[in-house]
Amino acid sequence: NAGVTQTPKFRVLKTGQSMTLLCAQDMNHEYMYWYRQDPGMGLRLIHYSVGEGTTAKGEVPDGYNVSRLKKQNFLLGLESAAPSQTSVYFCASRPTSARGNEQFFGPGTRLTVL
Amino acid sequence: KQEVTQIPAALSVPEGENLVLNCSFTDSAIYNLQWFRQDPGKGLTSLLLIQSSQREQTSGRLNASLDKSSGRSTLYIAASQPGDSATYLCAVRKVVKTSGSRLTFGEGTQLTVNP
Repeated sequence: NAGVTQTPKFRVLKTGQSMTLLCAQDMNHEYMYWYRQDPGMGLRLIHYSVGEGTTAKGEVPDGYNVSRLKKQNFLLGLESAAPSQTSVYFCASRPTSARGNEQFFGPGTRLTVL
Repeated sequence: KQEVTQIPAALSVPEGENLVLNCSFTDSAIYNLQWFRQDPGKGLTSLLLIQSSQREQTSGRLNASLDKSSGRSTLYIAASQPGDSATYLCAVRKVVKTSGSRLTFGEGTQLTVNP
């Protein structure tokens, strides 16, 4: 089991550029999440998904879009990157309550927007 | 709105010492509580998960307790080692009737264990 993996690990963008972050999990988890982590702000939820084909907004969704076309993948898109989106992005997944509810995180993507 | 507080924000101890990290939350209607470890520049590693019906969970030198009524959890680390140096995060999952319950995180306690 690779667990939760994220691609890429690092990226530098110029303001206005677009990119997609890929998250993959091989644990057959129903729920998947995207967070950002910033100094002094803790972990904040951007978007999440409760199953294949579903997405929902979290606390800080503006400027981001997501898609979950396959159960194992959750994509986070930035259509027009801004310096305020410089952050470390974490993907996470968890099973349903019947399977324990423990949440697992990926290694993170460090994004810098110049 | 659920708020999670971790005290202290930073802690430095000599190797071998037993220590306690504290986590408090404002809304006691939680589903479970999870403790994570985060090493610098890395992701979060799950340490212990306590369901709301449980009082404690143990894994090796780690013991986590939960007191829902007082809105508190503690993470006890026995015989600390330099390899325990990391940031420890507490997160609570709120009870919801629909799917998609979320974790609310504390800002963490940065632990340094000195050789």
